Amino acid sequence: QQQVRQSSQSLTVWEGETAILNCSYENSAFDYFPWYQQFPGEGPALLIAIRSVSDKKEDGRFTIFFNKREKNLSLHIKDSQPGDSATYFCAAHASSGSWQLIFGSGTQLTVMP
Amino acid sequence: NAGVIQTPRHKVTGKGQEATLWCEPISGHSAVFWYRQTIVQGLEFLTYFRNQAPIDDSGMPKERFSAQMPNQSHSTLKIQSTQPQDSAVYLCASSPGQDERLFFGHGTKLSVL
Repeated sequence: QQQVRQSSQSLTVWEGETAILNCSYENSAFDYFPWYQQFPGEGPALLIAIRSVSDKKEDGRFTIFFNKREKNLSLHIKDSQPGDSATYFCAAHASSGSWQLIFGSGTQLTVMP
Repeated sequence: NAGVIQTPRHKVTGKGQEATLWCEPISGHSAVFWYRQTIVQGLEFLTYFRNQAPIDDSGMPKERFSAQMPNQSHSTLKIQSTQPQDSAVYLCASSPGQDERLFFGHGTKLSVL
């Protein structure tokens, strides 16, 4: 059973559009949700994160919308650029448990120029 | 700050041989994590250390895999009698300890022939 699920394996948008990446989770104990960005040949890098006490977190062109009742969240990338083309991982962590992040399977985003 | 350093970047072993992967965490970080990444399984947690002590190894295959952190500047992941299914990118990450941020290295790509 996947604890963190990313429904889309891939997503293609045009430059300048808003890319929306979706994520859902099973465990109600999860209270910290980071998104990681990974380019080929590199390790994942933290992009933005939200805690379950908030419903929105914004950092520049990146925004997380969080719905605790529905157990889902989404990452919005405004004004997408070709350089945003990468794989994006949603992850979750329960502060009451072991300090391990559970990752989703990733969404490969392609931004067409 | 060079980030998390993993060596080697690529390792090729024959079936049945031993492989040792090295990780140098970011100086001052108190926690070190090992993850394995494959196309099929995605990012899988293996184990982590805090202040050099092993805390959670629930993701480690019980046989053949072992991890150590003999000092605060490096950790090793050893795989004995490697099998083709061990082929993956092994990622090391460190964390400052005050929050859940993980900083990943570039990974070691292990290929077992």
